[in-house]
Amino acid sequence: DQQVKQNSPSLSVQEGRISILNCDYTNSMFDYFLWYKKYPAEGPTFLISISSIKDKNEDGRFTVFLNKSAKHLSLHIVPSQPGDSAVYFCAARGGSNYKLTFGKGTLLTVNP
Amino acid sequence: DAGVIQSPRHEVTEMGQEVTLRCKPISGHNSLFWYRQTMMRGLELLIYFNNNVPIDDSGMPEDRFSAKMPNASFSTLKIQPSEPRDSAVYFCASSTGIGSGGYTFGSGTRLTVV
Repeated sequence: DQQVKQNSPSLSVQEGRISILNCDYTNSMFDYFLWYKKYPAEGPTFLISISSIKDKNEDGRFTVFLNKSAKHLSLHIVPSQPGDSAVYFCAARGGSNYKLTFGKGTLLTVNP
Repeated sequence: DAGVIQSPRHEVTEMGQEVTLRCKPISGHNSLFWYRQTMMRGLELLIYFNNNVPIDDSGMPEDRFSAKMPNASFSTLKIQPSEPRDSAVYFCASSTGIGSGGYTFGSGTRLTVV
């Protein structure tokens, strides 16, 4: 049973445009959400997070939006740059549960 | 800080052989996690240590898998005997504790069992 779902395996956008990566979750106990970025042959690196008490968190070109009622979050990258090309993982954690549950990832390709 | 260090980066072994993956967490991090990444299942948590003590190994797929953390600066994940379906990328991650936001991952060990 996949509790964190990233339904788009891949996404391609033009440089300078907005990239929107989506993530859905099923476990209502999740209260903290994270996005990780992964380049080939490297481990995932933490990008941005959001607590369930917020609906938006912004860090430079990256913004994460959380819609608790829809159990949906999204990562917006504006403007997109070729260096943003990577696999993006959505992850979630619930309460005192230490576990991070990951989605399967979305491969973002930003074309020059 | 050198980050989380995993070795080896690549491992190719024959079915039935013992495989040992190694991890050195970031100094001062008291939580350590072993994850496995496959195309089918994505990133799965195998086991979690807190202060060198295994807290939850429910993600370990079979008794063929075992993990140890003899001290705060070293952990191993052992597969004995290995099988082709164990082929995957194995990541080690560490963090400062349950309350921290993110983990720091190592670069992973790509295991191929032939």
